Amino acid sequence: KAGVTQTPRYLIKTRGQQVTLSCSPISGHRSVSWYQQTPGQGLQFLFEYFSETQRNKGNFPGRFSGRQFSNSRSEMNVSTLELGDSALYLCASRNLGGGEQYFGPGTRLTVT
Amino acid sequence: AQRVTQPEKLLSVFKGAPVELKCNYSYSGSPELFWYVQYSRQRLQLLLRHISRESIKGFTADLNKGETSFHLKKPFAQEEDSAMYYCALRENTGNQFYFGTGTSLTVIP
Repeated sequence: KAGVTQTPRYLIKTRGQQVTLSCSPISGHRSVSWYQQTPGQGLQFLFEYFSETQRNKGNFPGRFSGRQFSNSRSEMNVSTLELGDSALYLCASRNLGGGEQYFGPGTRLTVT
Repeated sequence: AQRVTQPEKLLSVFKGAPVELKCNYSYSGSPELFWYVQYSRQRLQLLLRHISRESIKGFTADLNKGETSFHLKKPFAQEEDSAMYYCALRENTGNQFYFGTGTSLTVIP
């Protein structure tokens, strides 16, 4: 099976702009989670989607939003970008029957 | 509230020495615990999970419910073990994952 893919791999944006990141899960996986990874904070959970519905949400401001499509692909949107949003954004997919999450390579977002 | 705590951000050991990466958790139910590893320029991947009770790459981890710990151990560290290690907890209700802040392990030749 192909692994989790994320596009784009790198992004440079300026403050105030918005950005959309995309994630394609492993075929058959219906759960997709998003994480923000920074050196100081480690992995912080953003949200999880299952069957196009948000199941869980982390402690992030409303500028961070997401959605999932009927083919389980997911997008994450960040509006009004701030310098502190610079991070590696990871997507993970899994089967709900199994506990393990499979991670994508991440999208490196730099906000200048 | 922080559900998973990894007290060491950085850990250095010499090749051949034992290594222990600490993980403590806070959860009242029966969680599932995992260790994930991220090697340089590679994606985050599962190392082991407590329900499997297996040894992967010489690493083991035992869930201690009394101490709410899930420490990762290896008797003889190798240079290729140098990586970032994350401890994670999955709730038994809601299925949400919580990750620790990670421990960067460096094995000195």
